Amino acid sequence: SQTIHQWPATLVQPVGSPLSLECTVEGTSNPNLYWYRQAAGRGLQLLFYSVGIGQISSEVPQNLSASRPQDRQFILSSKKLLLSDSGFYLCAWRVSGVTGYTFGSGTRLTVV
Amino acid sequence: RKEVEQDPGPFNVPEGATVAFNCTYSNSASQSFFWYRQDCRKEPKLLMSVYSSGNEDGRFTAQLNRASQYISLLIRDSKLSDSATYLCVADNQGGKLIFGQGTELSVKP
Repeated sequence: SQTIHQWPATLVQPVGSPLSLECTVEGTSNPNLYWYRQAAGRGLQLLFYSVGIGQISSEVPQNLSASRPQDRQFILSSKKLLLSDSGFYLCAWRVSGVTGYTFGSGTRLTVV
Repeated sequence: RKEVEQDPGPFNVPEGATVAFNCTYSNSASQSFFWYRQDCRKEPKLLMSVYSSGNEDGRFTAQLNRASQYISLLIRDSKLSDSATYLCVADNQGGKLIFGQGTELSVKP
């Protein structure tokens, strides 16, 4: 069966520090992968998506970047965090087609 | 205008009540639709897909009206455990799912 792993679960980082969040998927190949952010009390905002290794599409210009070094690995990064980067970061995958997403358990990031 | 719009609620209902959530989408090319459930501080989880003919899963019924670009979710005989935020989702045909802001439901004893 397919599973998605996301870590860490919570993270507190100072302003200006770097960030690396990792997401891996098991039990499937060539999934579409997504990074979403949910600010407190807000909806889900799509940040990046990838349909294959090395293929990244950015939805919102910002302080973050994403990479897909392997088929089932998706990484969200920042060189210097801002206070506004705080939020609940969710990785998701789907097989292309008409299926819905499956989300990882998320990383709650607080920038202080 | 947001691509997917929902009434944010909150909806406060007693146990056993029937509650209906409504959602509209703006992209007429959207083909697939879903309802997700999100518990407090947790990830969203797929509740059900929405089909043109309407579909039912136990106490939950989803309807799609393409002409009006309208989606609904009906929960019958609501339980305390139904308390959560319900997210309406549309596939915009770019491989991306667009989420509504969510409707908060609180079921009281």
